[in-house]
Amino acid sequence: EAQVTQNPRYLITVTGKKLTVTCSQNMNHEYMSWYRQDPGLGLRQIYYSMNVEVTDKGDVPEGYKVSRKEKRNFPLILESPSPNQTSLYFCASSRQGGETQYFGPGTRLLVL
Amino acid sequence: GDSVTQMEGPVTLSEEAFLTINCTYTATGYPSLFWYVQYPGEGLQLLLKATKADDKGSNKGFEATYRKETTSFHLEKGSVQVSDSAVYFCARRGSGNTGKLIFGQGTTLQVKP
Repeated sequence: EAQVTQNPRYLITVTGKKLTVTCSQNMNHEYMSWYRQDPGLGLRQIYYSMNVEVTDKGDVPEGYKVSRKEKRNFPLILESPSPNQTSLYFCASSRQGGETQYFGPGTRLLVL
Repeated sequence: GDSVTQMEGPVTLSEEAFLTINCTYTATGYPSLFWYVQYPGEGLQLLLKATKADDKGSNKGFEATYRKETTSFHLEKGSVQVSDSAVYFCARRGSGNTGKLIFGQGTTLQVKP
């Protein structure tokens, strides 16, 4: 089954404790992206990757890092989480130039 | 800058009622337009899309027409069901080759039996 998976689905952590949210897709897509969803703001792009070893900032990259060492994986790293990073995070993927993006199920993060 | 604006929710309808969710966008060109749906506890799924002016996207009884004159992409359905209860996001393709989607704030639809 074609899918985008994220782990964990739910996470409660404390300020300053490094964490990683994993994202993996099995569709051999070149393009991957991270979004955060906040009430009243819709989804905003954090980082994206056009292919392996090619990443770039989206609209709200502060406080986040990413890496793309393999085509299928695109982890989101929070080196020192803060409460304003409490949000619902979505990973997405698509073919290069493809119109349709496929979204993961989301990771709900609470930073205390 | 580039943006997408949706009507405020929540929208509450009775089963079999007609649905319209308004969406307008700003753009210098003619970006592809999308409607995504998010069912409770799930990720976003593409509902329909239109890639050029005057195109009509349709799926599962939902329709939206790309209107460049009014820069709008309103979502409609003739007869909603309880199972249509979800959050609906209008989105446009971002400028350049970033693959970015620019989303509206989302509209919650609740359909009552």
